[in-house]
Amino acid sequence: DTEVTQTPKHLVMGMTNKKSLKCEQHMGHRAMYWYKQKAKKPPELMFVYSYEKLSINESVPSRFSPECPNSSLLNLHLHALQPEDSALYLCASSPIATPGNEKLFFGSGTQLSVL
Amino acid sequence: AQRVTQPEKLLSVFKGAPVELKCNYSYSGSPELFWYVQYSRQRLQLLLRHISRESIKGFTADLNKGETSFHLKKPFAQEEDSAMYYCALKAGGTSYGKLTFGQGTILTVHP
Repeated sequence: DTEVTQTPKHLVMGMTNKKSLKCEQHMGHRAMYWYKQKAKKPPELMFVYSYEKLSINESVPSRFSPECPNSSLLNLHLHALQPEDSALYLCASSPIATPGNEKLFFGSGTQLSVL
Repeated sequence: AQRVTQPEKLLSVFKGAPVELKCNYSYSGSPELFWYVQYSRQRLQLLLRHISRESIKGFTADLNKGETSFHLKKPFAQEEDSAMYYCALKAGGTSYGKLTFGQGTILTVHP
C-alpha cells in the first residue's frame, strides 16, 4: 500500500460543530504532516509529527487540534471553526531520510466548508 | 524567513518545444529544494530533489546558489507534462520538516 488515505473527502460543518479529519498510511513512514490549501494558493504547513510526537506547530489556532495515536494514523480535530477556515486539508507522510532526500507522499485531501 | 518565488503563474508552450519553469528562493542557510507536480485530478507528488541530481520524466533542475535559483527544465515538452508545478524549499538540517511552497506555475503544453 503506497497511498495516504484521507477521510472524509468532503465535509460541511457549522461553526459550533466538532468534527475530525482522518489520515492513514501503511508505508511505515514516521513523519506525518497536515497542510492547509486555500483555493488557487500553495499548501501551507500546519503541523509536523515525527515518531508520533508533535515537532512543528506553525502557530495554528487552538481550534485545530492534531493527534497522532500511532505510527499509521493522524487526526485533525476541529472545533468552533470560522468560515475562513474553509479549505482543502492535505495530509502527507514521509520516511525519515537523510536531509534533502525526504519525499512527501500526499493524500488527496479533505475539502472542508465551514458555514 | 524562507521564501520561494515562482514568477510565472501560467506558462504555455507547444509540444516539442523546450520549457523552463522559474524558481527563486530566499533563505539564509543551506537550502534543500524540491519540485512537486500535480496533474489534473491527481494528488500532489514529488517530481525531483536537488540533492539527488536526478532526471525524472526528462526534467532536470540545477541549484544555483549564486543566483538563488532552482529552475526546472525540459528540452522537449510533451502534452502529458501539462500540470501545476510547485517549487518547494526546506530549511536544511533535519530529515523532515517545514516545506515552503512557491505560488505554483500552471504549465500547458499544446499539441
